[in-house]
Amino acid sequence: GAVVSQHPSRVICKSGTSVKIECRSLDFQATTMFWYRQFPKKSLMLMATSNEGSKATYEQGVEKDKFLINHASLTLSTLTVTSAHPEDSSFYICSARDQGGTEAFFGQGTRLTVV
Amino acid sequence: EDQVTQSPEALRLQEGESSSLNCSYTVSGLRGLFWYRQDPGKGPEFLFTLYSAGEEKEKERLKATLTKKESFLHITAPKPEDSATYLCAVQPSTNNDMRFGAGTRLTVKP
Repeated sequence: GAVVSQHPSRVICKSGTSVKIECRSLDFQATTMFWYRQFPKKSLMLMATSNEGSKATYEQGVEKDKFLINHASLTLSTLTVTSAHPEDSSFYICSARDQGGTEAFFGQGTRLTVV
Repeated sequence: EDQVTQSPEALRLQEGESSSLNCSYTVSGLRGLFWYRQDPGKGPEFLFTLYSAGEEKEKERLKATLTKKESFLHITAPKPEDSATYLCAVQPSTNNDMRFGAGTRLTVKP
């Protein structure tokens, strides 16, 4: 299957700072990327869908100004958690789909801890 | 509203004890149904895509089937290394999203 690389795998930051998470498709062009959040022993909650070159579509209840998503190229999307607070601590996962494809391939996930 | 329900929530099997996981769905036109495996602290690993009722796919000890209302993931003679959370997701024909079920946590004891 296709390879999606997510970085960093773990990050600890202080409350009030911002954190950027990168998601790269290594061997295909990802026209669509998805960002999920996952709580312990729970399923994936879709936060937003981003299409290359256009604004992301956020799910209801997800703050656009807090979770900034950029999909500037066909191989890279970034999620920036701005002014992070302890309640933002979670496991964030990205996935990517290429043009015309139906399968989505996932990154390794990022464990964010805000202290 | 599109919904995906997986059962059971958790399943404990002895090595070699075959069983099935269920994924029931309601969706406004199905573009695809997906099965993933997720190990703790990792991202989901793609297993299968099913597109239409009656379709079946196999990979090693796993076999996925699809009807108009549900999908089953059959595990034949499981091994401890099959222990993981198995996630089901659907993509409706009306949009680009994937909606996930809550998953089934499978534990296979030696």
